[in-house]
Amino acid sequence: EAGVAQSPRYKIIEKRQSVAFWCNPISGHATLYWYQQILGQGPKLLIQFQNNGVVDDSQLPKDRFSAERLKGVDSTLKIQPAKLEDSAVYLCASSLNGESGAFFGQGTRLTVV
Amino acid sequence: GENVEQHPSTLSVQEGDSAVIKCTYSDSASNYFPWYKQELGKGPQLIIDIRSNVGEKKDQRIAVTLNKTAKHFSLHITETQPEDSAVYFCAARVTGGGNKLTFGTGTQLKVEL
Repeated sequence: EAGVAQSPRYKIIEKRQSVAFWCNPISGHATLYWYQQILGQGPKLLIQFQNNGVVDDSQLPKDRFSAERLKGVDSTLKIQPAKLEDSAVYLCASSLNGESGAFFGQGTRLTVV
Repeated sequence: GENVEQHPSTLSVQEGDSAVIKCTYSDSASNYFPWYKQELGKGPQLIIDIRSNVGEKKDQRIAVTLNKTAKHFSLHITETQPEDSAVYFCAARVTGGGNKLTFGTGTQLKVEL
C-alpha cells in the first residue's frame, strides 16, 4: 500500500513570496491533516479535512494560509505572503476516518529567507 | 483545548537497557493515544497506539500503558537497540469536536553502544 505522498521535499523562498505544497493521502482515507512542525517541537495541527469539508482550522493563520481538498482526495496548502517564522516542516497525514490512527508523509521543509 | 506534556525531553540509555517516556494529558474526553517515532528528515511513524478501554498494549519490544484516572500514559521500550535512536512523540485525541490529535513536545532518545 502506498503511503502519504508529499511534494516538494524542500523549498526555499524569500519572505513575502508565495508557496504551495501538495499532498496525496493513502487511498481510501477520508481524513486529511496538515501539520506544521517547527524545529525541536511537536507537530501542530493547521487544518483537518473530512472528505472535502473542513473539520478544524482553528489554528490556521487564515490571513496568509489557505488549504483546499476540492475532490476529497489530494490537497494543497498555500502560504501567501510567507514570513520568516513560517520556516518549518509541513507534514501531511491521513487516516481512514477520524477515529483511526494517522499516517504521515515525509514532509516539505520550507525555508523562508 | 487538549494539552499534552511529555517527559523527559532527552533520554540517553545504554544498548540493551529499557527506556520509558511519560506523557500527561488534560482533557478527560481523550480516548485515543498514539505514539510516533520520527527519524531525522522523515515524517512521524506510528509505532503503537492504545484506546481508553485498554490499560496496556504490547508489541514485541514496545509497550504502552494508560492510567485514565491520573490522565497519563507511558511508552516502554525494552532491550533498546541503536536503531531505536530517534525522537518519540506522544499524542492524544479528544472524542468528537473534529477528533483533533494533539502532540507532545517530543523526547530525543539516544541509545549508546
